[in-house]
Amino acid sequence: RKEVEQDPGPFNVPEGATVAFNCTYSNSASQSFFWYRQDCRKEPKLLMSVYSSGNEDGRFTAQLNRASQYISLLIRDSKLSDSATYLCVVNIAYQLIWGAGTKLIIKP
Amino acid sequence: SQTIHQWPATLVQPVGSPLSLECTVEGTSNPNLYWYRQAAGRGLQLLFYSVGIGQISSEVPQNLSASRPQDRQFILSSKKLLLSDSGFYLCAWSVLSTEAFFGQGTRLTVV
Repeated sequence: RKEVEQDPGPFNVPEGATVAFNCTYSNSASQSFFWYRQDCRKEPKLLMSVYSSGNEDGRFTAQLNRASQYISLLIRDSKLSDSATYLCVVNIAYQLIWGAGTKLIIKP
Repeated sequence: SQTIHQWPATLVQPVGSPLSLECTVEGTSNPNLYWYRQAAGRGLQLLFYSVGIGQISSEVPQNLSASRPQDRQFILSSKKLLLSDSGFYLCAWSVLSTEAFFGQGTRLTVV
């Protein structure tokens, strides 16, 4: 079993729809959690951190479920510009464990 | 503010030639430093990480090596490149359990 697992997709979603990604992790000692966005042929960029209480940034909502060891990302009212690969990251001390990413394609 | 510089942005090298990619971080002290490789359409593969000067941990055995001669400098090297070394190389830094920040990457093509 991989330490961090994501559905690779691609998710093909019409513009304006809501889309949700899940990411599961295997190490219960994981300390912090993040979602990154990576555009084609670019470096990953931090989208948002994921807090135990859940957090929201505009159209994006991230949630953490420690009991079930998964994090989620919800994108509302999706835009064409949301098309990218979304990477889930789990931090254990100095170790960053990356998921392989979920590709999202927003269609007009 | 913290910044990370990675160069060159693109590189075309013949098989068997040496490689040196450099990454420097500004605005922070004693960062954790990472080298990743990403093949086309694939996820990030951790190659090396460093928690301090001279401290290098290798995740994947290969013909690459890394060095950290200064606190904020991380170098990826190879004595002889293979075709399979082609890819997108990314340097990143983090502090403790915080998020990681990436350089703009080096797209290496070995021909």
